[in-house]
Amino acid sequence: GENVEQHPSTLSVQEGDSAVIKCTYSDSASNYFPWYKQELGKRPQLIIDIRSNVGEKKDQRIAVTLNKTAKHFSLHITETQPEDSAVYFCAARGGRGSTLGRLYFGRGTQLTVWP
Amino acid sequence: GAGVSQSPSNKVTEKGKDVELRCDPISGHTALYWYRQRLGQGLEFLIYFQGNSAPDKSGLPSDRFSAERTGESVSTLTIQRTQQEDSAVYLCASSLDQGGEKLFFGSGTQLSVL
Repeated sequence: GENVEQHPSTLSVQEGDSAVIKCTYSDSASNYFPWYKQELGKRPQLIIDIRSNVGEKKDQRIAVTLNKTAKHFSLHITETQPEDSAVYFCAARGGRGSTLGRLYFGRGTQLTVWP
Repeated sequence: GAGVSQSPSNKVTEKGKDVELRCDPISGHTALYWYRQRLGQGLEFLIYFQGNSAPDKSGLPSDRFSAERTGESVSTLTIQRTQQEDSAVYLCASSLDQGGEKLFFGSGTQLSVL
């Protein structure tokens, strides 16, 4: 099946700085890559996603890049704010056989933005 | 309701007891997922229901775990003979169509096995 690795596990940045979280995946057939944000004590929420037919997608301060050849994708948050503090999960959708349609999640990155 | 609803929000049980967790997905969502999240850990896939297709049960950790779904509505996750290692938050998610896109999560059931 798919294997998703996420780094770093913790990330601390000063307010206004940028934050980058990286994920790698193993299945070259995977074709959909979402990012979820989970604030303390709350449910995970989708913040951005990207399909394998594009290399980059941006939504205000958040962007995701995808390198299919290298099988890695990254979340970029610019001009970070304290309310960006949360755990961020990357995921990859299985692309073949029994994995088709399943989302495989990374272990998460705890982002802390200091004011 | 407007979102995915799970009940109970918290469940404390004794080792060896059975528990049943409930999930009400968003109306019209054909896909429903159960995930387990241990403290400080990622999301562990348990089971996936998609319409009338046979569910993908490949993530269930043991035969003590089972889940059912009535049509495209309510789902229940049952854990028999609970063990302390079952303690975790059990998250349910639903999506409008198949393929794992745009999941909406419930707020979870915090299960504590004493």
